[in-house]
Amino acid sequence: DVKVTQSSRYLVKRTGEKVFLECVQDMDHENMFWYRQDPGLGLRLIYFSYDVKMKEKGDIPEGYSVSREKKERFSLILESASTNQTSMYLCASSLYLRTYNSPLHFGNGTRLTVT
Amino acid sequence: AQKVTQAQTEISVVEKEDVTLDCVYETRDTTYYLFWYKQPPSGELVFLIRRNSFDEQNEISGRYSWNFQKSTSSFNFTITASQVVDSAVYFCALSEAGDYKLSFGAGTTVTVRA
Repeated sequence: DVKVTQSSRYLVKRTGEKVFLECVQDMDHENMFWYRQDPGLGLRLIYFSYDVKMKEKGDIPEGYSVSREKKERFSLILESASTNQTSMYLCASSLYLRTYNSPLHFGNGTRLTVT
Repeated sequence: AQKVTQAQTEISVVEKEDVTLDCVYETRDTTYYLFWYKQPPSGELVFLIRRNSFDEQNEISGRYSWNFQKSTSSFNFTITASQVVDSAVYFCALSEAGDYKLSFGAGTTVTVRA
């Protein structure tokens, strides 16, 4: 079974802090994704990566950046956290980039609160 | 514009009742894919089903069944004889051919009471 592990389940940070959310997958998947989940809005794609050091913006990349130095690890970075970034963040991986070819495998999520 | 609409925000049922979750989608593509995911309280979304636009056959998997109707752009999900373990948030999602991403609906929270 694919295992996607997010380093923190809950995180509380202050406004203006630089925040790192870490995600590791163990199935040698090429593709990794960061989503944000908010009530009434479902999941929205922030960034994705289809190879080491390669990244593409999703639907809501503003205020975020990502890093993929190793195939198994995909980090989401909030350069200067703001209260409107309080949310649940979900990492996912997939074997193929086209999601209709392979389902997404998700981590348990990191609930981030910015005060 | 929202591509996937799940009009029901919350549904509460008593164990053994059937529950149907509605999903209406919007796309101009002729080739597309529809998905359902389940998010239990643990937080991890779990893939349930994928259906392509050329396959309108209904599908049944145990107590779960899906009804895909292109004429009404709907892909509804029914849980028969619900159980407490079915309590979760359920998401419908759409992937258009040539695209790399899923468009998720807002989700429907299902609570099954013992």
